[in-house]
Amino acid sequence: GAVVSQHPSWVICKSGTSVKIECRSLDFQATTMFWYRQFPKQSLMLMATSNEGSKATYEQGVEKDKFLINHASLTLSTLTVTSAHPEDSSFYICSASTGQGISSTDTQYFGPGTRLTVL
Amino acid sequence: KQEVTQIPAALSVPEGENLVLNCSFTDSAIYNLQWFRQDPGKGLTSLLLIQSSQREQTSGRLNASLDKSSGRSTLYIAASQPGDSATYLCAVPPPSGTYKYIFGTGTRLKVLA
Repeated sequence: GAVVSQHPSWVICKSGTSVKIECRSLDFQATTMFWYRQFPKQSLMLMATSNEGSKATYEQGVEKDKFLINHASLTLSTLTVTSAHPEDSSFYICSASTGQGISSTDTQYFGPGTRLTVL
Repeated sequence: KQEVTQIPAALSVPEGENLVLNCSFTDSAIYNLQWFRQDPGKGLTSLLLIQSSQREQTSGRLNASLDKSSGRSTLYIAASQPGDSATYLCAVPPPSGTYKYIFGTGTRLKVLA
């Protein structure tokens, strides 16, 4: 149980185009979803947190208009990289949690990641 | 501001060795600590979750300990195998108690056959 999928697993696009990445919780309802970014040989950096039906909360330094997040249902969140540039090339990972607060038993289930390459 | 550090950054060992990975965090007011495994180009797999009230958790050949007072956690891997080769990450929630994780820098492990 607790499977999270991402689509696509990899994408190559031209500079200036927009790319949408989907994150789905397959067998549970995710109250909260998280989007992370990972550069080669570096750790994960949280970009934003989204709750179903409300606006995403972005981390400091993350451009809201650049990285559009929509959490339309309890099983789907999307990240759209708008007007992508080569510096946006990265590995994007989502995670989902049934919790929404500070419960010590909350855990995050991670997706397999999406590798974005912008030419 | 919570900072999480992992030592060593990289480790290469022969098959069969027992090994210890270290994770240090600056603020001991954590709710839990989680160890993950990441294979190259892949997402994360949760290995062990230790609650703040616990001192250790075991799963198969893996044992994770937590010492909040000293701000440390260790992941012990017994009888390492080539299939254990991966990057191991530890993560903690920030002291404010929100549910987002702060990840360590990771340890890249290579087990040689």
